[in-house]
Amino acid sequence: EAGVTQSPTHLIKTRGQQATLRCSPISGHTSVYWYQQALGLGLQFLLWYDEGEERNRGNFPPRFSGRQFPNYSSELNVNALELEDSALYLCASSLLYLGGGSVENSPLHFGNGTRLTVT
Amino acid sequence: AQKVTQAQTEISVVEKEDVTLDCVYETRDTTYYLFWYKQPPSGELVFLIRRNSFDEQNEISGRYSWNFQKSTSSFNFTITASQVVDSAVYFCALSLPLSGNTGKLIFGQGTTLQVKP
Repeated sequence: EAGVTQSPTHLIKTRGQQATLRCSPISGHTSVYWYQQALGLGLQFLLWYDEGEERNRGNFPPRFSGRQFPNYSSELNVNALELEDSALYLCASSLLYLGGGSVENSPLHFGNGTRLTVT
Repeated sequence: AQKVTQAQTEISVVEKEDVTLDCVYETRDTTYYLFWYKQPPSGELVFLIRRNSFDEQNEISGRYSWNFQKSTSSFNFTITASQVVDSAVYFCALSLPLSGNTGKLIFGQGTTLQVKP
């Protein structure tokens, strides 16, 4: 079974440009999550998509946006890039299920990440 | 506020030594999940374990074992007879499924483990 795949592996952009990162979830997983791992800031939750809808959002400005396609793959777009956007962007996928009366997700499985460098 | 603290920034051991990675969490929710992930130099986060707040049984998987103690809000991870391939950054994480935050993991800062031959 193929894992979560992300492209590109590396991306170099200049300040002010836009970056587009892509993610394909594990087959059968409907939820996609984006995390940012910046030096000194650790792993921070960015966005969660399920069934094509944005379900939750972390504490990031609106220039971080994304979407999920009918095949459950996802794009993360970062507009007006700033130097501090340089980071490893990790995508994860999971299944949602009803457990104990609430919607829960199976453990997140992560991809290898996209290393974004803004110069 | 919810928080995960991994006080050990870096640990260095010699192969075959046992090593314990500490994790302390904070939450007022009574329903939560705790996780451990491994991040090797290649970058991907590898899922190791998930425990829910109602299951305090310790777990063993090969050389890995986990000690969950609600009384001290800790979820420690022990590697027995460490190997060079265990060298990685290890993250402890917390999620709160009943707070509308399904899938949002709160990560600790990570512990870098170096196992020397």
